[in-house]
Amino acid sequence: ETGVTQSPTHLIKTRGQQVTLRCSSQSGHNTVSWYQQALGQGPQFIFQYYREEENGRGNFPPRFSGLQFPNYSSELNVNALELDDSALYLCASSLGAGAYEQYFGPGTRLTVT
Amino acid sequence: AQSVTQLGSHVSVSEGALVLLRCNYSSSVPPYLFWYVQYPNQGLQLLLKYTTGATLVKGINGFEAEFKKSETSFHLTKPSAHMSDAAEYFCAVSDLNAGGTSYGKLTFGQGTILTVHP
Repeated sequence: ETGVTQSPTHLIKTRGQQVTLRCSSQSGHNTVSWYQQALGQGPQFIFQYYREEENGRGNFPPRFSGLQFPNYSSELNVNALELDDSALYLCASSLGAGAYEQYFGPGTRLTVT
Repeated sequence: AQSVTQLGSHVSVSEGALVLLRCNYSSSVPPYLFWYVQYPNQGLQLLLKYTTGATLVKGINGFEAEFKKSETSFHLTKPSAHMSDAAEYFCAVSDLNAGGTSYGKLTFGQGTILTVHP
């Protein structure tokens, strides 16, 4: 059974640029949630994708967007990067939109300069 | 909005001593409750969860937690700390809708860094 994988591991971008982060869900899981973890903070819910549609969103601006593909993998896109977007971005997969048991990937560390 | 408070951003114990990490939530309806552990430069690993039933929950690596509705608490304990327990620990909740099922969104506390001294 393959766990949740994320790519890339690390990324450095310049303010104003755009970035795409990728996540492959655990085998058999059809739901992906994205979280932002700023340094010294707990993860914050960005949004969730279920059956290729957004299913719930946290308090993040529209420049944070996502996609889910038929194989249940997912992308997180962030436009017009700001310095405060520097964080660890975590992807979690689960079986079902209301599933509370989520399995996390190792994360992508994004640094915005 | 649901919130989770972890008392103490840093906890330091000696190897073999009791570990107690505190977590309180704010919700009039008991949510589902979780503890996750995060080792440096890694993602989150589920330690244990409470959904329904027995209020004392046992997890991996000898950890356990007790749900106390009257105190809106879900404190994490381990009788004897090991050096390998040094990590950051997060308490999280998942709110339930009117039907009693989870929204699928986790709300996390700020985290507690556990240091274990030899």
